[in-house]
Amino acid sequence: QQQVKQSPQSLIVQKGGISIINCAYENTAFDYFPWYQQFPGKGPALLIAIRPDVSEKKEGRFTISFNKSAKQFSLHIMDSQPGDSATYFCAAKRPKDISNFGNEKLTFGTGTRLTIIP
Amino acid sequence: KAGVTQTPRYLIKTRGQQVTLSCSPISGHRSVSWYQQTPGQGLQFLFEYFSETQRNKGNFPGRFSGRQFSNSRSEMNVSTLELGDSALYLCASSGGSYDNSPLHFGNGTRLTVT
Repeated sequence: QQQVKQSPQSLIVQKGGISIINCAYENTAFDYFPWYQQFPGKGPALLIAIRPDVSEKKEGRFTISFNKSAKQFSLHIMDSQPGDSATYFCAAKRPKDISNFGNEKLTFGTGTRLTIIP
Repeated sequence: KAGVTQTPRYLIKTRGQQVTLSCSPISGHRSVSWYQQTPGQGLQFLFEYFSETQRNKGNFPGRFSGRQFSNSRSEMNVSTLELGDSALYLCASSGGSYDNSPLHFGNGTRLTVT
């Protein structure tokens, strides 16, 4: 059962354009939604994250929009640059138990390969 | 601060063999998680260790096991390798605090089973 659905699988955007990647989740217990960026030969790196008590979070050219009622969230990359070409993963995590100081597991989307063309 | 270090970077093994992968977390991090990444299944959670104890386990067969040492370093073992075990195995560490401390991933070990 895929708990986090991500689309599109691949995306080509012209330099300077807006890249939009969408994710939908099923488990309403999720309360933390990070986005990871992965370059070839590297591990995923945290890009930006949001909690469901806010509808939008912006960091530089990257913005997460969150729609709790629709159980959807999306990543917007403004003024997309060739250096943004990478694979992007959305993810979701449940809250920790108060007695558990370990990190809960992340459930990842299937990834979006983004290519920015000049 | 050094990042998460995984060794070796590449491994080629034959079906039926076993393999051990190693992960050194960021200094001070007490939580280590392992993920399997394949083109078809994406990133799948294997297990998480915190203070030498397994806290969470994903839906993988018992051939996949792990452990964590007192210095937070972790190893993952796969026994009786199958062709389908070919994947990129990623280790991630975090501070393990109550808040959502971010996961920091290593660059992975690429395992090829022939």
